[in-house]
Amino acid sequence: GIQVEQSPPDLILQEGANSTLRCNFSDSVNNLQWFHQNPWGQLINLFYIPSGTKQNGRLSATTVATERYSLLYISSSQTTDSGVYFCAVEVVNFGNEKLTFGTGTRLTIIP
Amino acid sequence: DGGITQSPKYLFRKEGQNVTLSCEQNLNHDAMYWYRQDPGQGLRLIYYSQIVNDFQKGDIAEGYSVSREKKESFPLTVTSAQKNPTAFYLCASSIDLRGRRNQPQHFGDGTRLSIL
Repeated sequence: GIQVEQSPPDLILQEGANSTLRCNFSDSVNNLQWFHQNPWGQLINLFYIPSGTKQNGRLSATTVATERYSLLYISSSQTTDSGVYFCAVEVVNFGNEKLTFGTGTRLTIIP
Repeated sequence: DGGITQSPKYLFRKEGQNVTLSCEQNLNHDAMYWYRQDPGQGLRLIYYSQIVNDFQKGDIAEGYSVSREKKESFPLTVTSAQKNPTAFYLCASSIDLRGRRNQPQHFGDGTRLSIL
């Protein structure tokens, strides 16, 4: 099956810093999503981005499908950004689509 | 508000018992999914259903069962055959993928299951 690797596994930053999280995947995909899991376990949709670039406030994401990677940018980090960020991809396989998750990047923002 | 409701938030089970986790959505989504998350890990797919009265095994279906009698509901039963059921269980849904591809999944708040 498809492999999804996220880096770095852990990231500790001072409040106000910027960060870049990376997601590499091993096969062509027709769906890629970024999620934020907060300390209570809630999984929040950040971006649906199979290709191209999107921005939402301090967050933006870029997926280069031909090179099989996606980047999540967080600018001016706040303590509420802490949590685990997951990348999930869906392989091109009509009629049998399912998401495969990476192991996540744990982000800790220090005040 | 439209969304996905999972209940209960916390569930305790004695060894040898079956338990059923509820997942209800009012988003009019056709597809529904169950995932398992172990501490420090990503999510792994247990079962999914793209239409009513049909479902498929995911990557870790052993020891679990599901039903999809209604579009809005996709309950997951953790059977006594599941030897290590303690985990965080998340339900998700998405618009029917067939013919309308590239649709994001939306998640409920999860159920934490523990063995007594």
